[in-house]
Amino acid sequence: TQLLEQSPQFLSIQEGENLTVYCNSSSVFSSLQWYRQEPGEGPVLLVTVVTGGEVKKLKRLTFQFGDARKDSSLHITAAQPGDTGLYLCAGVGPDMEYGNKLVFGAGTILRVKS
Amino acid sequence: DSGVTQTPKHLITATGQRVTLRCSPRSGDLSVYWYQQSLDQGLQFLIQYYNGEERAKGNILERFSAQQFPDLHSELNLSSLELGDSALYFCASSVDWGFNYGYTFGSGTRLTVV
Repeated sequence: TQLLEQSPQFLSIQEGENLTVYCNSSSVFSSLQWYRQEPGEGPVLLVTVVTGGEVKKLKRLTFQFGDARKDSSLHITAAQPGDTGLYLCAGVGPDMEYGNKLVFGAGTILRVKS
Repeated sequence: DSGVTQTPKHLITATGQRVTLRCSPRSGDLSVYWYQQSLDQGLQFLIQYYNGEERAKGNILERFSAQQFPDLHSELNLSSLELGDSALYFCASSVDWGFNYGYTFGSGTRLTVV
């Protein structure tokens, strides 16, 4: 069982559509990060959220941290083929394994068709 | 280029053999993390070193070991290899020993055990 549950596992959409990816846990996060990984490459950090209710925007990407700091979402507006990739959430918190090391969710594979 | 260098990029070896994966962290980063990524397990934390000392251990098998040298590069040694060890192995680095600044990942080493 994954400590961080990401949904959906796979998403295939047309260019221009909007989408939301979710990251949920029964544990409270001290901090949560979102990464994007392309085939053959390592994950690249997109954002870090640390405050419950926090909303951060990165161009067409909007990241939200739940008020209770147990969940997060990533919303992409007007998706483009260049958004295709594996989106990973990663969290750390006092109740998590390995002390303050990042624990990753299984990821959401996003495919944007032109 | 993320600044984290991993070699080799690909490695094919037979069961029972031993291999060494190498990682050079981003300039100025003192922490090195090793992760294993497979299709069924996702990104799994193996071990962390900070400024030459082991800082945290995750799901690292006894057949695996790592070290960080005075010049801060790190090596992950995998011995008595099994088919199930086939995976992508990522090295990541960060400026401190925690998570606040995010991790910078290398491009990974794809290990295939035949």
